[in-house]
Amino acid sequence: QVQLVESGGGLVKPGGSLRLSCAASGFTFSDYYMTWIRQAPGKGLEWVSYISASGATSYHADSVKGRFTISRDNAKNSLYLQMNSLRAEDTAVYYCAGEPKSIAVAFDIWGQGTMVTVSS
Amino acid sequence: QSALTQPASVSGSPGQSITVSCTGTSSDVGGYNYVSWYQQHPGKAPKLMIYDVSNRPSGVSNRFSGSKSGNTASLTISGLQAEDEAHYYCCSYTSNSTLVVFGGGTKLTVL
Repeated sequence: QVQLVESGGGLVKPGGSLRLSCAASGFTFSDYYMTWIRQAPGKGLEWVSYISASGATSYHADSVKGRFTISRDNAKNSLYLQMNSLRAEDTAVYYCAGEPKSIAVAFDIWGQGTMVTVSS
Repeated sequence: QSALTQPASVSGSPGQSITVSCTGTSSDVGGYNYVSWYQQHPGKAPKLMIYDVSNRPSGVSNRFSGSKSGNTASLTISGLQAEDEAHYYCCSYTSNSTLVVFGGGTKLTVL
């Protein structure tokens, strides 16, 4: 079935790094734009990073620009988020989400999320 | 503070209709028909309910509908059911550097 499965979350100290992964299955990964969206505990959704279907174009929220890098490997049906210089305010559940190339800003596939906790 | 403004909470009785508003600017909601709505139950991932302002994905009940007027988008749920109780988030493309913005979310309580 159509599925996204995130991994790589955990507890990290301020200033540390983590690499999140998102494994896709059940659909044509290369036909989807991919996005990371996060949700701090008890808070709303926050868009983090976007990457085009080919991987040639990416965007990041101002809050993570220069610290986070999104990438993908279509041969491995995988999406990644390299997170450096982590701060307490980066603590959140991180979801990977896919939007088909045929429609914009419509995340119709979501993973279950992976928790990232930044604390000393 | 979220870029899109939603009421913190709405409520309704089973069978009634409710509307959730989502107010932005001409740089996002008002300027593009790329508004989507998501339903999120506690501890679960969000689910796409409406895209392109008023389109429903396959499998979403026709009790859910979307519309837009000026800088404000709306989600209407008719014939409220207990399972509709959840948080609802609006989302829009934006011409600002952030590319995508979400609303702060609205908690729907079915009385």
